[in-house]
Amino acid sequence: DTGVSQNPRHKITKRGQNVTFRCDPISEHNRLYWYRQTLGQGPEFLTYFQNEAQLEKSRLLSDRFSAERPKGSFSTLEIQRTEQGDSAMYLCASTPPGGGNSPLHFGNGTRLTVT
Amino acid sequence: RKEVEQDPGPFNVPEGATVAFNCTYSNSASQSFFWYRQDCRKEPKLLMSVYSSGNEDGRFTAQLNRASQYISLLIRDSKLSDSATYLCVVDLAGRSQGNLIFGKGTKLSVKP
Repeated sequence: DTGVSQNPRHKITKRGQNVTFRCDPISEHNRLYWYRQTLGQGPEFLTYFQNEAQLEKSRLLSDRFSAERPKGSFSTLEIQRTEQGDSAMYLCASTPPGGGNSPLHFGNGTRLTVT
Repeated sequence: RKEVEQDPGPFNVPEGATVAFNCTYSNSASQSFFWYRQDCRKEPKLLMSVYSSGNEDGRFTAQLNRASQYISLLIRDSKLSDSATYLCVVDLAGRSQGNLIFGKGTKLSVKP
């Protein structure tokens, strides 16, 4: 069990640029979640996948945001035309299969700074 | 009512004190509840799940009150190392649908 891995750890970009983050969940975890966290706030739910299916998207997820999990393993989160308000920590988490909700296992996050 | 609500604190307590946090949630159908701990600039880490009958793990006790729609976390004999932000997590969609929502967190500072 190598844990949830996120890349890159830090990303600095200029406003208007596109960025893509990657998340590798714990092996055989079928659910994968994306959250965004800003200073002083709790993590805000963005979206989650069960295997390759994207089951829910928050209304926080504007059309500039897109997430994929094509083979049910790793996932990518892309932000197009970044804005300064997108600066945040982007957290990925995964949970194993099984009935009910299992606790989330988080990666270290990707810290995005939009200048 | 906000979906998942916590008192942001900060709670400043001396070592050895007992401190309690509450977290209210909006959907009576919610089934899964957790407490997480987050240290500064780190990812959240699971502290404990919350079971219907209440559960205890060492100095930590979690309880669920379905009638009033809140969960609680009690920390006894506080240690300096307990200083962190405590986040509650609730499956707001209910029926374990996977939509796990965090509160904003309660900051705890334990002083010598």
